[in-house]
Amino acid sequence: DTGVSQDPRHKITKRGQNVTFRCDPISEHNRLYWYRQTLGQGPEFLTYFQNEAQLEKSRLLSDRFSAERPKGSFSTLEIQRTEQGDSAMYLCASSLSAGSGNTIYFGEGSWLTVV
Amino acid sequence: GESVGLHLPTLSVQEGDNSIINCAYSNSASDYFIWYKQESGKGPQFIIDIRSNMDKRQGQRVTVLLNKTVKHLSLQIAATQPGDSAVYFCAEIYPNDKIIFGKGTRLHILP
Repeated sequence: DTGVSQDPRHKITKRGQNVTFRCDPISEHNRLYWYRQTLGQGPEFLTYFQNEAQLEKSRLLSDRFSAERPKGSFSTLEIQRTEQGDSAMYLCASSLSAGSGNTIYFGEGSWLTVV
Repeated sequence: GESVGLHLPTLSVQEGDNSIINCAYSNSASDYFIWYKQESGKGPQFIIDIRSNMDKRQGQRVTVLLNKTVKHLSLQIAATQPGDSAVYFCAEIYPNDKIIFGKGTRLHILP
């Protein structure tokens, strides 16, 4: 499978615990995006990378959230001291380098439930 | 603000009829737009895209129309099938390549 891969697909955690999600983009895709989606809503932008450089972070991304892409390939999204409001699906997407018209492909998402 | 909105949250269509899903976008500087289909529990699936130098693009059973004057997009699905049941999102790609989604329209196919 050469699509965007996310792991784990589902995670249940207790409030206050830390969780980490991993995203493997499509090979040779330089752009990598993280989004969050709650039920009945469209995906909300969190952050994105060009290679290893983090270009922008949404104000939705509190200090408890951190994303990295250390080698410009896979990326991790860590949530510290999880809260019930963090329960959502976390989506990763990738595309070729910047430029209009580069199709953006999404993974199947990582579901987080904070209990 | 950063928003892409949809006019109808739910659309019910008879199987075999054509479906039209509408979307309004906010940033007149956006030059690329994508329609995604999302089935329950899955990530958004690319359907069709259009650049701002076009006003129409056709794919297999789908057509996207772009009206830059009123900042409006539509997705037309011909001969709607049960497998078309999903939530459809339009996405607006800003000049800095950030993707902004609307809330989505749920397409319900009637037998």
